[in-house]
Amino acid sequence: QQQVKQSPQSLIVQKGGIPIINCAYENTAFDYFPWYQQFPGKGPALLIAIRPDVSEKKEGRFTISFNKSAKQFSLHIMDSQPGDSATYFCAARDPSNYQLIWGAGTKLIIKP
Amino acid sequence: KAGVTQTPRYLIKTRGQQVTLSCSPISGHRSVSWYQQTPGQGLQFLFEYFSETQRNKGNFPGRFSGRQFSNSRSEMNVSTLELGDSALYLCASSLLPSSSTPFFGPGTRLTVL
Repeated sequence: QQQVKQSPQSLIVQKGGIPIINCAYENTAFDYFPWYQQFPGKGPALLIAIRPDVSEKKEGRFTISFNKSAKQFSLHIMDSQPGDSATYFCAARDPSNYQLIWGAGTKLIIKP
Repeated sequence: KAGVTQTPRYLIKTRGQQVTLSCSPISGHRSVSWYQQTPGQGLQFLFEYFSETQRNKGNFPGRFSGRQFSNSRSEMNVSTLELGDSALYLCASSLLPSSSTPFFGPGTRLTVL
């Protein structure tokens, strides 16, 4: 069964710390791995994404690390701020039908 | 450009009732997808419509149905509501079907009592 396992379920970090959210997948055919950020009362919004031929991608304070052999990828937030408090979802695209398979989400709280 | 809009934002129903949720995609977007979001389960894909045709369907019972109109607006219907149907229902739109970057609306929070 195609799954994306996301951990931890929740995370509390002090301002300035580096929260790390991890995702693991099973299907080696997955070809695109986005991260979405969701604030309360809003829908998820694309934050950053990576393809499996790249091991790392940075956009501002957000970095994706990708380990193809381990079938894992993670989101790092540098110099975290209270405004980063949100729920974060990882996903993976199945190229057979272009459907996104979603992780269960991580609720992140950045304490001031 | 206005984003994806969903109505109503909140809804309370009782078991056995039916409900219709509405979604207006971003102007120019012809593909609309629906997702169910529950705590600890993430986003579960319901179905996708493009040009008034259902293109993909997730693993949900037949009580969940949808349709798309010629102006790309979409509705989702749930019949014979169950307590477990309580969730945030998200609509996402994109220019083309099976997009890797759907744009999500704020969702409709459905509570079934």
